[in-house]
Parts: sequence; C-alpha cells; structure tokens
Amino acid sequence: NAGVTQTPKFRVLKTGQSMTLLCAQDMNHEYMYWYRQDPGMGLRLIHYSVGEGTTAKGEVPDGYNVSRLKKQNFLLGLESAAPSQTSVYFCASSSGQGAIQPQHFGDGTRLSIL
Amino acid sequence: QQQVKQSPQSLIVQKGGIPIINCAYENTAFDYFPWYQQFPGKGPALLIAIRPDVSEKKEGRFTISFNKSAKQFSLHIMDSQPGDSATYFCAASTRGSARQLTFGSGTQLTVLP
Repeated sequence: NAGVTQTPKFRVLKTGQSMTLLCAQDMNHEYMYWYRQDPGMGLRLIHYSVGEGTTAKGEVPDGYNVSRLKKQNFLLGLESAAPSQTSVYFCASSSGQGAIQPQHFGDGTRLSIL
Repeated sequence: QQQVKQSPQSLIVQKGGIPIINCAYENTAFDYFPWYQQFPGKGPALLIAIRPDVSEKKEGRFTISFNKSAKQFSLHIMDSQPGDSATYFCAASTRGSARQLTFGSGTQLTVLP
C-alpha cells in the first residue's frame, strides 16, 4: 500500500522555468491538498480539491496552478518559477467522509529555484 | 497572519523527561486539533488529535491537554525516548473547506540518550 506518492523527490530549476509536481494516492480519497513547508513557518496550504474536477485556493495560492483530472492524482504547476518558491512541497489526502478523517502526507518534493 | 502560535521553536530533553509543546489559537471556529510528527526527509504523520469537548486525550505516551477558555492546547510526551526526536506540529481546522489544516510553526524536539 503506497499511500501518497510524490514525484519528483528533488528538483532544481532556473528562474522563469516551469514544472509540474505530481501527487498520486491509492486510498480512493476524495480530498487532496498541496502544502509548502518553509523553515520557521510550518506548513501552509497552497490549493486543495474536494473531488475530481474541483480545485480551490488555500492560504498561499499565488504563482501556482493545480488540476485534478483524475480522482487519484493532484498536480501542482509552477508556470514561471521564482526564487521565493524554493521550498519543500507536500501533498496530502483524506477521505472526507463521515467523521473527521486524518490527512495522509507524502514524503515531499524538495524544490530549489536558482 | 499566524492563526496558530506554537512554542518553543526547539526543545532538548534527557531520555525519560517530559517535553511539553504549547499552542495557542485565536479562531473560535476551530473544532479539531491534531498533532503531527515529522522525521527528517519524511512527510508529517498524524500523532494524536482532540476535539474541544474534552480537556485531555491520551494515546500511549502522548497526551493532549486542551483549555478551551484560554484557547490553548499542549502536547506532553511521557518517558521520552531518543526515537521521539522529531519535529512536532500542532494544527487546527474548522468544519467545511475540506477541513483544511492551519499549522503551527513547529517544534524541533531532541531527546538525548
């Protein structure tokens, strides 16, 4: 049972380049989330999705776009990378059904923008 | 703005000690308060969680104390072990908006052997 898988694990980009981070979950979860983690700031929500074909903005959405074309996948895109987007990105999912369900996290993508 | 404030930033204890990590919140609509544990190179993992209708919850060596009137909650680790060395995050969420979590800034705990 893989849980939440993020690819790639590491990436270095130059300012202005674009890339897509992929998150895949095999738990049939409805809800998926993208966070960024920066030193001394905890995790901050970028975007989230409550189901296939839906997305919504979180706390820090500027500079990012997302898509949820399939229930199991949640993509995070950077159209024109900036050094301020250097961070560790975490994807999470939860079932969203019934009682409060925990969020399950992947192991992160470490992204450096030069 | 930081809606969940966490302290201390770092904490060092001897094996067997009882580290305590504190969090405070402002938003009275928060109704779910989880704690996450994160090891280097890994994603956060749910450790324990509490709803505001109880003042304490214990799971193994981990205990959450909750003070609704003060809008504060804390994590206590009994008989701490070197394997507990990790970063701990408190968080809070409200009903709706996919239960999105607002995290504290994290506490790096080191338990010395």
